[in-house]
Amino acid sequence: NAGVTQTPKFQVLKTGQSMTLQCAQDMNHEYMSWYRQDPGMGLRLIHYSVGAGITDQGEVPNGYNVSRSTTEDFPLRLLSAAPSQTSVYFCASRTGVGQPQHFGDGTRLSIL
Amino acid sequence: QQPVQSPQAVILREGEDAVINCSSSKALYSVHWYRQKHGEAPVFLMILLKGGEQKGHDKISASFNEKKQQSSLYLTASQLSYSGTYFCGTEAPGNTPLVFGKGTRLSVIA
Repeated sequence: NAGVTQTPKFQVLKTGQSMTLQCAQDMNHEYMSWYRQDPGMGLRLIHYSVGAGITDQGEVPNGYNVSRSTTEDFPLRLLSAAPSQTSVYFCASRTGVGQPQHFGDGTRLSIL
Repeated sequence: QQPVQSPQAVILREGEDAVINCSSSKALYSVHWYRQKHGEAPVFLMILLKGGEQKGHDKISASFNEKKQQSSLYLTASQLSYSGTYFCGTEAPGNTPLVFGKGTRLSVIA
């Protein structure tokens, strides 16, 4: 099993560009989440999903979109990149309520 | 709303003990603990479910006081490998996501 796979691992964008961060899991997990990690801020929740076709906003959703058309995939879209979105992005998944969460290796995104 | 962790940072010598605290203003179903090494993804340590249980994992254990919405992580006889940033994640009842605190940076020195 590959676990949670995130692509790309590194990306540099220019302000105003759009892009999609990919996240796929092969564990048949229902719950998936996106977090961003900035120095001193911990892991902040962007969007999450409790199953295919169901998504909801987290603490810092502005500037990001998600969709969940399959159980396996949960892409994160940056609509118009801004320097404030420079961060490390983690995708995570778990079976359901009260279960451990597995993280991907992260995507390091820089916006110039 | 992010749970509150304390302390923000702690430095230990090998063999010393440490306690990391996590508190939430919301009713909780579970508390999760993770450790993150520099440049890596967070790794699951343990989960405590509603019911006030205490768990152990080698020389790392944790407790959960659901009445106070607080959890504590206990690291005893610390080793160099314990260094990293520790995060608590809290889960409210229902179909809710894990929300994490800002982390506690633990440094163990020889």
